Amino acid sequence: QLQLQESGPGLVKPSETLSLTCTVSGGSISSGSYFWGWIRQPPGKGLEWIGSMYHTGSTYFNPSLKSRVAISVDTSKNKLSLKLSSVTAADTAVYYCAPSMRDAYYFVSWGPGTLVTVSS
Amino acid sequence: QPVVTQSPSASASLGASVKLTCTLSSGHSRFAISWHQQQPEKGPRFLMKVNSDGSHIKGDGIPDRFSGSSSGTERYLTIDSLQSEDEADYYCQTWGSGIYVFGTGTKVTVL
Repeated sequence: QLQLQESGPGLVKPSETLSLTCTVSGGSISSGSYFWGWIRQPPGKGLEWIGSMYHTGSTYFNPSLKSRVAISVDTSKNKLSLKLSSVTAADTAVYYCAPSMRDAYYFVSWGPGTLVTVSS
Repeated sequence: QPVVTQSPSASASLGASVKLTCTLSSGHSRFAISWHQQQPEKGPRFLMKVNSDGSHIKGDGIPDRFSGSSSGTERYLTIDSLQSEDEADYYCQTWGSGIYVFGTGTKVTVL
């Protein structure tokens, strides 16, 4: 069973770049069964998909965030990374990593999430 | 891409049943959706995928009292024998044209 753990700085200054890592266990990122995605949830609000990546490099991004988002995978370390540039207070959220089925596009597992606050 | 719509809240008594609805936008009646539960102060948990024909695939360890069904552009999540731990937010999710879409969530209150 897949297990995911997000990690990264809990505080980021405005205009800087948010960087998070998701460590995957219980399965291989390069197995080919999943797209590996990031989703966020601002305090008290709903879920917002950020982007997803296949291990070969194919990516999908939320059009509203696409210009600021980079997602990468490190198959040797079984890790997924997220970079979000030029952050503002509106980017304050709990960030989750989640795999979705490659052929059916639904999220099958979730990490516990990590809270990132954007503040000076 | 499709849009999914959910009612903001639902409630039912302990031990009763509640049926949540996720409505797909017009023209997307053949799309599948997934349901995710988020208990207070916790991360989401995958419950099930519901296909347009009503068939569904559950996540590991999801109790039998959770079931899914479909009718037209509506996808349903039914929770039988409601328990206190079922008080949570429930989100539906779908995908189309390279974009993953979440509904705004339904908050279920157990009376």
